[in-house]
Order: sequence, then structure tokens, then C-alpha cells
Amino acid sequence: KAGVTQTPRYLIKTRGQQVTLSCSPISGHRSVSWYQQTPGQGLQFLFEYFSETQRNKGNFPGRFSGRQFSNSRSEMNVSTLELGDSALYLCASSLLRSMNTEAFFGQGTRLTVV
Amino acid sequence: ELKVEQNPLFLSMQEGKNYTIYCNYSTTSDRLYWYRQDPGKSLESLFVLLSNGAVKQEGRLMASLDTKARLSTLHITAAVHDLSATYFCAVDMFQVGGGADGLTFGKGTHLIIQP
Repeated sequence: KAGVTQTPRYLIKTRGQQVTLSCSPISGHRSVSWYQQTPGQGLQFLFEYFSETQRNKGNFPGRFSGRQFSNSRSEMNVSTLELGDSALYLCASSLLRSMNTEAFFGQGTRLTVV
Repeated sequence: ELKVEQNPLFLSMQEGKNYTIYCNYSTTSDRLYWYRQDPGKSLESLFVLLSNGAVKQEGRLMASLDTKARLSTLHITAAVHDLSATYFCAVDMFQVGGGADGLTFGKGTHLIIQP
């Protein structure tokens, strides 16, 4: 059974550019959440998608957005990149948020903004 | 606002010793998770604790949950070098129909086990 797949694994972007990250959840999983991990702030919740709808959003500016497709694959987009956006972005997939099921994380995309 | 505090944040110990990592959280929840992260890698799920008094064990690791005290512990027995990693606890405030702000993580405990 394939795990959570995130692409690309590494990215280097310049300030002001935008970036799109992709996440393919485990087959059958319908909930996808995104997290940002930095040395200073730790792991922080970005947003969650279920059935193509954003269910929750963390405390991040509007430059951070996402979407989910009908096959449950999700993308997140960051526009007008800032140096502080450099981080490991992790995607988590779970079966259903309403059930007490664990979240499985992908390998992450390491974004460096220069 | 939910706060999750882990301690210690850094722990260096010798092989063969026992130790406990503590995870306190500020708001009532009965869903708590423990994850392991190796350097440069993703999060690996270790335990899912879903009720007061829940205890789960896997090898040399044992996790427990006391929802009344809002406390979870991760106990390491007879540590071995391979357990060196960063351990995170995470609390889930999901409410059916109401959603929640995803998982709230502690800052992590960086564990080094020396031979």
C-alpha cells in the first residue's frame, strides 16, 4: 500500500515568486492536512481539506492557499514568497476526520526561499 | 487557544536507562498522538491514544493518557541507540460537525541515546 506522496521533495525559489506543492494521500483516504515545520515555530497547522472542501485553516496569511481534487489529491500554493516561508511542508492523510483515525505524513517538501 | 507543552525538550541518556517524556495540554481532549521524526525525515506515527487511561506499548516504548490531568507520557525502557530521534506529541481538538484547527503539536523532545 503506497504511502503519502509529496512532490517535489526540494525547491529553491526567489522572494516574490510563487510555488505550488502537491500531495497524493493514501488510497482511500479523503482527508488531507498541511503543516509547516520550522526550527523556530515548530509544526503548525496550515489547512485541512475533505471532499474538495477546506474544512479548517490555521493562522497563516492569505498568501497560503490550497485545494483538493476529486481524487483527494491536494495542492497548496504560496504566493509572493518571503524568506520566512522557508520550511519543511508536510502533508498528512487520514481516512476520515470524524473518526478517531491517525494521520499519516508524507516525506515533505523542503522549500528554501532566497 | 490550545497549548501543548513537552518536557524535556532535550534529553541525552545512556543506553540501558529508562526515561519518561511528558506532554501536557491545556484544553480537554481525548485524542492524543505520538510521532517520531528522524533528522531530515517525516513524521512516523507511534501511538494513537483515544481515551482516558489508554496505554499502548510497542517494543521499548510505552505511551499513556490521563485526560483528567491533561497529561500523556512516553516511557522509554532500556534505551537503545536506534531510539535516538525527536519525539512529538500532538493533540486533536476535532469536533464532529465543527471542525478544528488540525493537530496541535508540542515543540518536540530531541532524544540522544549514547552507547
